[in-house]
Amino acid sequence: GQNIDQPTEMTATEGAIVQINCTYQTSGFNGLFWYQQHAGEAPTFLSYNVLDGLEEKGRFSSFLSRSKGYSYLLLKELQMKDSASYLCAPKNAGNMLTFGGGTRLMVKP
Amino acid sequence: KAGVTQTPRYLIKTRGQQVTLSCSPISGHRSVSWYQQTPGQGLQFLFEYFSETQRNKGNFPGRFSGRQFSNSRSEMNVSTLELGDSALYLCASSLSTSGTDTQYFGPGTRLTVL
Repeated sequence: GQNIDQPTEMTATEGAIVQINCTYQTSGFNGLFWYQQHAGEAPTFLSYNVLDGLEEKGRFSSFLSRSKGYSYLLLKELQMKDSASYLCAPKNAGNMLTFGGGTRLMVKP
Repeated sequence: KAGVTQTPRYLIKTRGQQVTLSCSPISGHRSVSWYQQTPGQGLQFLFEYFSETQRNKGNFPGRFSGRQFSNSRSEMNVSTLELGDSALYLCASSLSTSGTDTQYFGPGTRLTVL
């Protein structure tokens, strides 16, 4: 089976850095995706990690440790528009993504 | 390149009715996956189609079915609607079934069952 755990809610201040953690258990691991979803909208792709280490993409970075079943998404220089849900989604063998419940991030001025 | 499109965007049905939702993937994408999103359960995988064949299936009852056409467009059907089927239905397309392929989501169809 598959199990994904990430915090339900986080609050951070504009301009700060926030780290959203995700632990997972999955069979036939084939990479891990992070998606951003604003309220009432579809998820949009942020990052993909298949090898251990850090992937940096502008203000967003994502880290993966396959041996620990652990990933995090790092958001720097937070902006108000970053207020959204962040979804951790490991992919198993084939094309099946399993989504965690998401972390709702609120950015305050 | 146009993104994933879904029709209709909003739908209201009553219990017992059936509904068909449509998804057109990004041009060149051959894999289409369907998800149900509710506040209580989050995003749950329904099924995935590739080259007109169902490749994966989630844990949903047989009332939920789908198909894919030769042009990669996909439809999903829900029969004998229940109140609990009220949800946002999202489809996502990717190039193939390779592990590295990213899934891109459409805007979703918001289904309300009364």
